[in-house]
Amino acid sequence: DAGVIQSPRHEVTEMGQEVTLRCKPISGHNSLFWYRQTMMRGLELLIYFNNNVPIDDSGMPEDRFSAKMPNASFSTLKIQPSEPRDSAVYFCASSLDGRGGTEAFFGQGTRLTVV
Amino acid sequence: AQSVTQPDIHITVSEGASLELRCNYSYGATPYLFWYVQSPGQGLQLLLKYFSGDTLVQGIKGFEAEFKRSQSSFNLRKPSVHWSDAAEYFCAVGANTGFQKLVFGTGTRLLVSP
Repeated sequence: DAGVIQSPRHEVTEMGQEVTLRCKPISGHNSLFWYRQTMMRGLELLIYFNNNVPIDDSGMPEDRFSAKMPNASFSTLKIQPSEPRDSAVYFCASSLDGRGGTEAFFGQGTRLTVV
Repeated sequence: AQSVTQPDIHITVSEGASLELRCNYSYGATPYLFWYVQSPGQGLQLLLKYFSGDTLVQGIKGFEAEFKRSQSSFNLRKPSVHWSDAAEYFCAVGANTGFQKLVFGTGTRLLVSP
Protein backbone atom coordinates (compact mmCIF):
# COMPACT_ATOMS: atom_id res chain seq x y z
CA ASP A 1 0.00 0.00 0.00
CA ALA A 2 1.21 3.52 -0.76
CA GLY A 3 0.31 4.77 2.67
CA VAL A 4 -1.70 7.87 3.43
CA ILE A 5 -1.49 10.26 0.52
CA GLN A 6 -1.91 13.98 0.94
CA SER A 7 -2.02 16.68 -1.69
CA PRO A 8 -0.69 19.14 -2.33
CA ARG A 9 2.60 18.85 -0.43
CA HIS A 10 3.00 22.61 -0.41
CA GLU A 11 0.45 25.37 -0.84
CA VAL A 12 1.04 29.09 -0.89
CA THR A 13 -2.03 31.27 -1.06
CA GLU A 14 -3.09 34.83 -0.45
CA MET A 15 -5.12 35.84 2.54
CA GLY A 16 -8.82 35.56 1.84
CA GLN A 17 -8.52 32.78 -0.68
CA GLU A 18 -10.10 29.36 -0.30
CA VAL A 19 -7.74 26.47 0.35
CA THR A 20 -8.58 22.79 -0.02
CA LEU A 21 -6.34 20.07 1.33
CA ARG A 22 -6.86 16.49 0.24
CA CYS A 23 -6.26 13.11 1.79
CA LYS A 24 -6.50 9.53 0.64
CA PRO A 25 -6.36 7.12 3.60
CA ILE A 26 -4.95 3.64 3.53
CA SER A 27 -7.36 1.24 1.89
CA GLY A 28 -9.37 -0.69 4.48
CA HIS A 29 -8.90 1.85 7.24
CA ASN A 30 -12.16 3.19 8.58
CA SER A 31 -10.90 6.06 10.74
CA LEU A 32 -9.37 9.28 9.50
CA PHE A 33 -7.83 12.16 11.41
CA TRP A 34 -6.79 15.69 10.49
CA TYR A 35 -4.04 17.29 12.56
CA ARG A 36 -2.41 20.71 12.43
CA GLN A 37 1.20 21.26 13.46
CA THR A 38 2.62 24.65 14.39
CA MET A 39 5.65 25.73 16.36
CA MET A 40 3.49 27.44 18.95
CA ARG A 41 0.84 24.79 19.53
CA GLY A 42 2.47 21.56 18.41
CA LEU A 43 0.23 18.83 16.99
CA GLU A 44 -3.47 19.48 17.40
CA LEU A 45 -6.27 17.13 16.44
CA LEU A 46 -8.77 19.06 14.34
CA ILE A 47 -11.34 16.43 13.50
CA TYR A 48 -11.71 12.70 13.15
CA PHE A 49 -14.04 10.51 11.16
CA ASN A 50 -15.14 6.94 11.66
CA ASN A 51 -16.82 5.17 8.76
CA ASN A 52 -16.98 8.52 6.95
CA VAL A 53 -18.95 10.13 9.79
CA PRO A 54 -17.43 13.03 11.77
CA ILE A 55 -17.13 11.85 15.36
CA ASP A 56 -15.41 14.76 17.03
CA ASP A 57 -14.79 18.16 15.46
CA SER A 58 -14.14 20.01 18.69
CA GLY A 59 -10.61 20.80 17.55
CA MET A 60 -11.71 22.71 14.47
CA PRO A 61 -10.58 26.26 15.25
CA GLU A 62 -13.50 28.19 13.80
CA ASP A 63 -16.20 28.24 11.18
CA ARG A 64 -13.71 29.03 8.46
CA PHE A 65 -12.58 25.41 8.69
CA SER A 66 -14.65 22.55 7.36
CA ALA A 67 -13.92 18.90 6.63
CA LYS A 68 -15.72 16.29 4.62
CA MET A 69 -15.36 12.61 3.94
CA PRO A 70 -17.69 11.75 1.06
CA ASN A 71 -16.42 8.18 0.84
CA ALA A 72 -13.99 5.79 2.47
CA SER A 73 -11.12 6.74 0.21
CA PHE A 74 -11.17 10.53 0.24
CA SER A 75 -11.33 13.44 2.63
CA THR A 76 -10.92 17.19 2.32
CA LEU A 77 -10.11 19.96 4.74
CA LYS A 78 -11.20 23.37 3.53
CA ILE A 79 -10.32 26.80 4.84
CA GLN A 80 -12.42 29.68 3.59
CA PRO A 81 -11.35 32.42 3.84
CA SER A 82 -7.74 31.70 4.72
CA GLU A 83 -5.73 33.89 7.08
CA PRO A 84 -1.97 34.15 7.75
CA ARG A 85 -2.42 32.49 11.15
CA ASP A 86 -3.60 29.36 9.37
CA SER A 87 -0.07 28.80 8.11
CA ALA A 88 0.98 25.39 9.41
CA VAL A 89 1.62 21.82 8.36
CA TYR A 90 -1.59 19.85 8.10
CA PHE A 91 -1.40 16.09 8.54
CA CYS A 92 -3.91 13.46 7.67
CA ALA A 93 -3.75 10.08 9.39
CA SER A 94 -5.78 6.91 9.15
CA SER A 95 -6.18 3.84 11.32
CA LEU A 96 -7.76 0.46 10.98
CA ASP A 97 -10.64 0.94 13.38
CA GLY A 98 -10.04 4.10 15.34
CA ARG A 99 -10.01 2.39 18.71
CA GLY A 100 -7.58 3.51 21.37
CA GLY A 101 -4.80 1.02 20.81
CA THR A 102 -4.76 1.14 17.04
CA GLU A 103 -1.80 2.67 15.29
CA ALA A 104 -2.44 5.81 13.26
CA PHE A 105 -0.51 6.07 9.99
CA PHE A 106 0.38 9.59 8.95
CA GLY A 107 0.73 11.17 5.56
CA GLN A 108 3.66 13.42 4.74
CA GLY A 109 1.65 16.54 5.37
CA THR A 110 0.70 19.68 3.48
CA ARG A 111 2.70 22.78 4.31
CA LEU A 112 0.32 25.72 4.01
CA THR A 113 1.58 29.28 3.80
CA VAL A 114 -0.94 32.09 3.76
CA VAL A 115 0.54 35.46 2.81
CA ALA B 1 -9.32 14.49 29.18
CA GLN B 2 -5.85 13.17 28.64
CA SER B 3 -2.69 15.27 28.34
CA VAL B 4 1.00 14.74 27.70
CA THR B 5 4.08 16.63 28.85
CA GLN B 6 7.47 16.37 27.23
CA PRO B 7 9.65 18.56 29.42
CA ASP B 8 12.68 18.68 27.13
CA ILE B 9 12.36 20.80 23.99
CA HIS B 10 15.86 19.98 22.72
CA ILE B 11 18.35 17.29 23.65
CA THR B 12 21.86 16.85 22.28
CA VAL B 13 23.52 13.47 22.55
CA SER B 14 26.87 12.27 21.28
CA GLU B 15 26.79 9.50 18.72
CA GLY B 16 27.12 6.18 20.51
CA ALA B 17 25.87 7.53 23.81
CA SER B 18 22.65 6.41 25.46
CA LEU B 19 19.42 8.35 25.17
CA GLU B 20 16.39 8.88 27.35
CA LEU B 21 13.49 11.12 26.34
CA ARG B 22 10.97 11.95 29.01
CA CYS B 23 7.21 11.75 28.75
CA ASN B 24 4.61 12.25 31.46
CA TYR B 25 0.93 11.77 30.88
CA SER B 26 -2.30 12.55 32.62
CA TYR B 27 -5.26 10.23 32.25
CA GLY B 28 -7.76 8.81 34.70
CA ALA B 29 -7.35 5.17 33.70
CA THR B 30 -4.73 3.00 32.07
CA PRO B 31 -3.91 4.81 28.86
CA TYR B 32 -2.70 3.79 25.48
CA LEU B 33 0.76 5.31 25.03
CA PHE B 34 2.73 5.87 21.87
CA TRP B 35 6.06 7.24 20.71
CA TYR B 36 6.29 8.65 17.20
CA VAL B 37 9.31 10.00 15.33
CA GLN B 38 9.24 12.75 12.73
CA SER B 39 12.14 13.31 10.38
CA PRO B 40 12.42 16.71 8.67
CA GLY B 41 9.74 17.20 6.03
CA GLN B 42 8.15 13.88 6.81
CA GLY B 43 5.08 12.60 8.56
CA LEU B 44 5.09 10.78 11.85
CA GLN B 45 6.19 7.18 12.12
CA LEU B 46 5.26 4.94 15.02
CA LEU B 47 8.23 3.73 17.08
CA LEU B 48 6.33 1.73 19.68
CA LYS B 49 3.16 1.59 21.70
CA TYR B 50 1.91 0.31 25.03
CA PHE B 51 -1.60 -0.63 26.04
CA SER B 52 -1.30 -3.66 28.31
CA GLY B 53 1.01 -6.42 29.48
CA ASP B 54 4.75 -6.07 29.87
CA THR B 55 5.56 -2.53 30.90
CA LEU B 56 8.82 -2.57 28.94
CA VAL B 57 8.01 -2.22 25.27
CA GLN B 58 10.36 -2.83 22.40
CA GLY B 59 10.03 -0.85 19.22
CA ILE B 60 11.67 -0.33 15.88
CA LYS B 61 15.16 1.04 15.30
CA GLY B 62 16.40 -0.26 18.66
CA PHE B 63 14.14 1.92 20.79
CA GLU B 64 12.35 0.83 23.94
CA ALA B 65 10.07 2.52 26.42
CA GLU B 66 8.96 1.72 29.94
CA PHE B 67 5.51 2.42 31.33
CA LYS B 68 5.62 3.41 34.99
CA ARG B 69 2.15 3.85 36.36
CA SER B 70 3.33 5.22 39.71
CA GLN B 71 5.18 8.02 37.94
CA SER B 72 2.71 8.50 35.09
CA SER B 73 5.66 8.22 32.76
CA PHE B 74 6.52 6.53 29.50
CA ASN B 75 10.14 7.41 28.80
CA LEU B 76 11.83 6.44 25.56
CA ARG B 77 15.32 4.96 25.61
CA LYS B 78 18.01 3.79 23.27
CA PRO B 79 21.32 2.35 24.45
CA SER B 80 23.43 3.74 21.61
CA VAL B 81 22.34 6.63 19.42
CA HIS B 82 23.17 6.84 15.72
CA TRP B 83 23.42 10.04 13.70
CA SER B 84 20.34 8.95 11.75
CA ASP B 85 18.28 9.14 14.96
CA ALA B 86 18.35 12.94 14.80
CA ALA B 87 14.68 13.88 14.49
CA GLU B 88 11.75 15.10 16.53
CA TYR B 89 10.11 12.66 18.90
CA PHE B 90 6.52 12.83 20.04
CA CYS B 91 4.86 11.06 22.91
CA ALA B 92 1.11 10.58 22.62
CA VAL B 93 -1.66 9.27 24.83
CA GLY B 94 -4.93 7.74 23.71
CA ALA B 95 -8.03 6.88 25.69
CA ASN B 96 -8.68 3.20 26.25
CA THR B 97 -12.39 3.55 25.80
CA GLY B 98 -14.35 4.43 22.76
CA PHE B 99 -12.80 5.96 19.74
CA GLN B 100 -9.17 6.90 19.60
CA LYS B 101 -8.32 10.51 20.20
CA LEU B 102 -4.57 10.83 20.34
CA VAL B 103 -3.20 13.77 22.28
CA PHE B 104 0.40 14.59 21.48
CA GLY B 105 3.13 16.18 23.53
CA THR B 106 4.95 19.20 22.17
CA GLY B 107 7.85 17.06 21.02
CA THR B 108 11.56 16.76 21.79
CA ARG B 109 14.07 17.57 19.11
CA LEU B 110 17.06 15.24 19.24
CA LEU B 111 20.39 16.46 17.95
CA VAL B 112 23.24 13.98 17.57
CA SER B 113 26.78 15.29 17.76
CA PRO B 114 29.76 13.48 16.21
